Amino acid sequence: RKEVEQDPGPFNVPEGATVAFNCTYSNSASQSFFWYRQDCRKEPKLLMSVYSSGNEDGRFTAQLNRASQYISLLIRDSKLSDSATYLCVVNVESSYKLIFGSGTRLLVRP
Amino acid sequence: DAGVTQSPTHLIKTRGQQVTLRCSPKSGHDTVSWYQQALGQGPQFIFQYYEEEERQRGNFPDRFSGHQFPNYSSELNVNALLLGDSALYLCASSFDRAQGYTFGSGTRLTVV
Repeated sequence: RKEVEQDPGPFNVPEGATVAFNCTYSNSASQSFFWYRQDCRKEPKLLMSVYSSGNEDGRFTAQLNRASQYISLLIRDSKLSDSATYLCVVNVESSYKLIFGSGTRLLVRP
Repeated sequence: DAGVTQSPTHLIKTRGQQVTLRCSPKSGHDTVSWYQQALGQGPQFIFQYYEEEERQRGNFPDRFSGHQFPNYSSELNVNALLLGDSALYLCASSFDRAQGYTFGSGTRLTVV
């Protein structure tokens, strides 16, 4: 079983749609959680950290459920520029490495 | 403020050769990590350097080695290259891991 699992997609949605991505992690000692965005053939860029209380940044909302070991990302009012791969990332307590999921690909169409 | 810079951007090597990739961390960052990203996969952790020492290592063979210099810059060396080493190699720097890491644009290595 992969340490971080994501639906690879692609999710193909029209502009203005709301779309949600889910991610599960296997290590209960995971302590930090992030969503990164990666454009084709580019480096991953930090989209947002994910906090236990949930957090929002503009059109983006992240949620964490520690009991179910589940992370989500909600994108409202999708823009064409949101088309990218979204990587769910976990850091385990006492470890320095980031553990990446394989990513979920989002395509926003006009 | 320069972000993480990596060189070269692209590289083609022959099987069995050796390669050195370079990384300069973002200003104010003292920790450098290296990741390998194969096509269609998420990045995989190779190792992390802090205070010029390898602090943690992922599941990569000894052919992969590194170094960190006093100015926090870092090198990744790969010996005896295999076709399977073809990937995007990413350098990430940080100061406080809870704040996340900043990635460089990567070095795309092709082994032929």
